[in-house]
Amino acid sequence: EADIYQTPRYLVIGTGKKITLECSQTMGHDKMYWYQQDPGMELHLIHYSYGVNSTEKGDLSSESTVSRIRTEHFPLTLESARPSHTSQYLCASSESVNQPQHFGDGTRLSIL
Amino acid sequence: TQLLEQSPQFLSIQEGENLTVYCNSSSVFSSLQWYRQEPGEGPVLLVTVVTGGEVKKLKRLTFQFGDARKDSSLHITAAQTGDTGLYLCAGVRNQAGTALIFGKGTTLSVSS
Repeated sequence: EADIYQTPRYLVIGTGKKITLECSQTMGHDKMYWYQQDPGMELHLIHYSYGVNSTEKGDLSSESTVSRIRTEHFPLTLESARPSHTSQYLCASSESVNQPQHFGDGTRLSIL
Repeated sequence: TQLLEQSPQFLSIQEGENLTVYCNSSSVFSSLQWYRQEPGEGPVLLVTVVTGGEVKKLKRLTFQFGDARKDSSLHITAAQTGDTGLYLCAGVRNQAGTALIFGKGTTLSVSS
């Protein structure tokens, strides 16, 4: 069963729209992460958080922003979507940095 | 510079064959994790190896951590179509690391 949930699973939207991808986990994990992944390709870390009010940028530069107001919730926002943002976005959480990460099923985003 | 190199990048085999995929680095890791990702889903943890030289078995899958903790391998015996997916290794460099370091993955296709 999934303890980390991402919505929507699929989103097709026009250029210039503001988008928020939702991620919630019920495990009480402090550490949460956002990855960007093209189909069948490697994961690129774009944002992470060590706890409430903590957010950091990852290895891959991204125009998206994140917030962490509650432990269980780590939404990702794109203020003005562009076709280059088309990708799959995966959210994950872990008990600590060196513990296994639990992944959601991802949001497949397509910007027209 | 890719800290974790996975090989081969793609592997296509017939059901019943054996295979080995590799995860190599010039850096020492305190532990390595292996994940499998099926199309349309997030990665799922298969195993964590912690001790140099450690061997773990998960049914037909055998995982080994190198003696120097710089490399790992995954051997699958008598592959089945259900083994198809993207296999990712991820390393924890030290307790102060910001997050897991993922390899680019090996895409395995097993046909009947």
